[in-house]
Amino acid sequence: DVKVTQSSRYLVKRTGEKVFLECVQDMDHENMFWYRQDPGLGLRLIYFSYDVKMKEKGDIPEGYSVSREKKERFSLILESASTNQTSMYLCASSLHSTGNEQFFGPGTRLTVL
Amino acid sequence: AQRVTQPEKLLSVFKGAPVELKCNYSYSGSPELFWYVQYSRQRLQLLLRHISRESIKGFTADLNKGETSFHLKKPFAQEEDSAMYYCALPKSEKLVFGKGTKLTVNP
Repeated sequence: DVKVTQSSRYLVKRTGEKVFLECVQDMDHENMFWYRQDPGLGLRLIYFSYDVKMKEKGDIPEGYSVSREKKERFSLILESASTNQTSMYLCASSLHSTGNEQFFGPGTRLTVL
Repeated sequence: AQRVTQPEKLLSVFKGAPVELKCNYSYSGSPELFWYVQYSRQRLQLLLRHISRESIKGFTADLNKGETSFHLKKPFAQEEDSAMYYCALPKSEKLVFGKGTKLTVNP
């Protein structure tokens, strides 16, 4: 059973803080993803990683960066948090191939004050 | 460009009524389409995929290439079907998601 875990379910930060969101998967998946989920906007891809140290920008990468030093771990970094980054953040992983099922973590609800 | 449209943000039906969640896509070729579901306080998960042609929890979805649609249907809705539903289309290693439809099944 695939398990994708995220470091925090809820997080409250102040404007300007550097924020780290961690995601770990235990199924040896090559691909990992970070999305943000907002009502009425659906899921929007922030960044995608297809291998260790490899990354690709998604649809809304501005204000975010990522790190993938190990295959099982994918971190999302908000360099200087802003109030418009208040959102639900979802991590996902999948095998390397087109059209594979993505397995999602439980999400981190981030509030930036 | 690949795009997924879910025209209804909200859909409300009564228990026992038929339900249809609409999904239209733009893609040149033979698409592989998915429906994902997120129940309250649960993680997003795959409900069904076009290629498997299965019925999951009573839901089915048929790919209509002429209408470029992949609507999700269930003949008799249950209260436990209340959830957020997303249609998705692969784009290389990634998925393009629709904006989602929130289904509420009223008792």
